[in-house]
Amino acid sequence: DVKVTQSSRYLVKRTGEKVFLECVQDMDHENMFWYRQDPGLGLRLIYFSYDVKMKEKGDIPEGYSVSREKKERFSLILESASTNQTSMYLCASSQSPVGYTFGSGTRLTVV
Amino acid sequence: GESVGLHLPTLSVQEGDNSIINCAYSNSASDYFIWYKQESGKGPQFIIDIRSNMDKRQGQRVTVLLNKTVKHLSLQIAATQPGDSAVYFCAERLPSGSARQLTFGSGTQLTVLP
Repeated sequence: DVKVTQSSRYLVKRTGEKVFLECVQDMDHENMFWYRQDPGLGLRLIYFSYDVKMKEKGDIPEGYSVSREKKERFSLILESASTNQTSMYLCASSQSPVGYTFGSGTRLTVV
Repeated sequence: GESVGLHLPTLSVQEGDNSIINCAYSNSASDYFIWYKQESGKGPQFIIDIRSNMDKRQGQRVTVLLNKTVKHLSLQIAATQPGDSAVYFCAERLPSGSARQLTFGSGTQLTVLP
């Protein structure tokens, strides 16, 4: 089975800190995605990548950046964390159009 | 913009009963629909999908129905079990050619009562 691993399950960071969320997939998938999940709002796409060093903005990219230096790894960066970025962050990868595999999520709290 | 939505945020059913989770979509160009299940503390997992040229597809204990006339999608779970308690998301695929292809709804929390 494809595995998508997010490095942290829970994180607590201070306002203004630079935060790195890491995601690794083990099946050589081309596409990787970062979503945030908030109650009542569902999954909202932050950024996605369709190849190494390639990225595209999703619906809510403000305050975030991403890095994909290797095919298996897709990092989400909060340049200066704010309390409104407290959320569940989900990473996903896919090869086929609908074969999304999600990680278990990182619950980030910014205080 | 157009989006996928759900009729109800929560649904409670008795163990053994059938569950029906509904989803409305607004983009008639969507060519593929998917249901995901998200258990507490886990990421969403694929359940079943259906192409827009179909109106029904069955899996193990689950059936997805697609009504393109009213742009409605439903997930039916037969003989609901405690392990079915989770948040269920529908998603639609827009044939944009982009790697970004799925738009997700906000989810319905299914609770199975003993």
